[in-house]
Amino acid sequence: EIVLTQSPDFQSVTPKEKVTITCRASQSIGSSLHWYQQKPDQSPKLLITYASQSISGVPSRFSGSGSGTDFTLTINSLEAEDVATYYCHQSSSLPRTFGQGTKVEIK
Amino acid sequence: QVQLQESGPGLVKPSETLSLTCSVSGGSMSSHYWNWIRQPPGKGLEWIGFIYYSGSTNYNPSLKSRVTISEDTSKNQFSLKLTSVTAADTAVYYCARANYGSVLDFWGQGTLVTVSS
Repeated sequence: EIVLTQSPDFQSVTPKEKVTITCRASQSIGSSLHWYQQKPDQSPKLLITYASQSISGVPSRFSGSGSGTDFTLTINSLEAEDVATYYCHQSSSLPRTFGQGTKVEIK
Repeated sequence: QVQLQESGPGLVKPSETLSLTCSVSGGSMSSHYWNWIRQPPGKGLEWIGFIYYSGSTNYNPSLKSRVTISEDTSKNQFSLKLTSVTAADTAVYYCARANYGSVLDFWGQGTLVTVSS
């Protein structure tokens, strides 16, 4: 099983600040890494696919990068509506796994 | 726009079987993988398993002995059965579509199942 480890677990930031979340895989997964945003009491929403591919309708301040074992989700200029928990997810092998989540709050 | 909706009992007794159904609307079940994912209160996401529209399945080894996912494509539905439940199975259960087997692009709203006597 591929273990995904996110850091940090929690981040408190001021509006318009840049947010960087990392996801490290226990073995190489190529670019088969996807990011999701889960707002309180909502189901997860797809943000970024295959490490860096943007999704239609997702604000351009969200971007992803990385390959192999190290990946990054960046939120440029955080807005209040971005308060959420962010999860990475790998589809390189079975069983599918998720990172433990990174909670982002407004300071 | 594809929409998914979970349904089933919100309370299950310990040692009994949890049964949920996911209804798919706005699209066909063909050529996609249909997943179940759960989230214990205040915790992260755990993949339970999926069924391909052809009927083939794959389950998380941690749950494999207790899980069955089935489908009824004539009704555009797929289902989850989890046997011998304990309090540790209390969670919000989500159904989700995996595009090309990889990206979970559409999710249901989730349904809370509590295991308690």
